[in-house]
Amino acid sequence: GAGVSQSPSNKVTEKGKDVELRCDPISGHTALYWYRQSLGQGLEFLIYFQGNSAPDKSGLPSDRFSAERTGGSVSTLTIQRTQQEDSAVYLCASRQGSSAGELFFGEGSRLTVL
Amino acid sequence: AQSVTQLDSQVPVFEEAPVELRCNYSSSVSVYLFWYVQYPNQGLQLLLKYLSGSTLVKGINGFEAEFNKSQTSFHLRKPSVHISDTAEYFCAVSERSGAGSYQLTFGKGTKLSVIP
Repeated sequence: GAGVSQSPSNKVTEKGKDVELRCDPISGHTALYWYRQSLGQGLEFLIYFQGNSAPDKSGLPSDRFSAERTGGSVSTLTIQRTQQEDSAVYLCASRQGSSAGELFFGEGSRLTVL
Repeated sequence: AQSVTQLDSQVPVFEEAPVELRCNYSSSVSVYLFWYVQYPNQGLQLLLKYLSGSTLVKGINGFEAEFNKSQTSFHLRKPSVHISDTAEYFCAVSERSGAGSYQLTFGKGTKLSVIP
C-alpha cells in the first residue's frame, strides 16, 4: 500500500486477555518501529527492527510485551495478560534504510483494557 | 542516552499571531533533530528535520526551526498561525547508538490551539 497500515484501529479487551496488533509497513522500508502513545506521556519507544539485525527491544515495558517481524515486512506486537495500564494508542512507523531519515507513521491501534 | 523536553504542554494563540514551541534536548553525541505534527485522530507526519548544515531549517506549512548547539535547543516557530495549525507537535532526537540503530526519542508533545 501507499502508507503504513495498522490493524485493528480499535480494540477493546478484558483484563487478562492477550491481544495482537498488526503493522504493515511501506513496501521496501527496512526499519520498523513500535511506539506507545498515552495521554500526556508523549510517544514511548517500544521496539525497533532493522533489516535482518537483532531487534532493539530496550523499550519493552515488561515481558508481557513481545514483537516479531516476519520476512522483513509485516510486524505483530503481542501483549499477553493485558492490564488496564496497557490502554493506549500503539503506533507503528517505518523508514527506508538505516539513515536518520523520516519516519512514516500509521494511524495507530487504540487499545482499551477494561 | 538522549532525552527531549518540551517545556509547554499546551499553547493557545490567536489566529495570525506568531508562535514558538520550545524544545530542548540532551545528548552526549551529535544528534539529528525533528519536529512531527499530529492532527486530531491522525498519525504523525514530519514537519521538518535538522541533520547537518544550516542551523535554520524550513519545513512544511510555513514552519521553521533553529538548531542551537550551545543551548541544546531546537525551537519551532511560525510567524502567523492559521486555524488549521491546531494540532499536537512533537520534538524528537536521534543519535547513533553503539548498535548502529537510530532510536528516535520523542518529547511529550505540545498542543497548539489556534483561537479564531
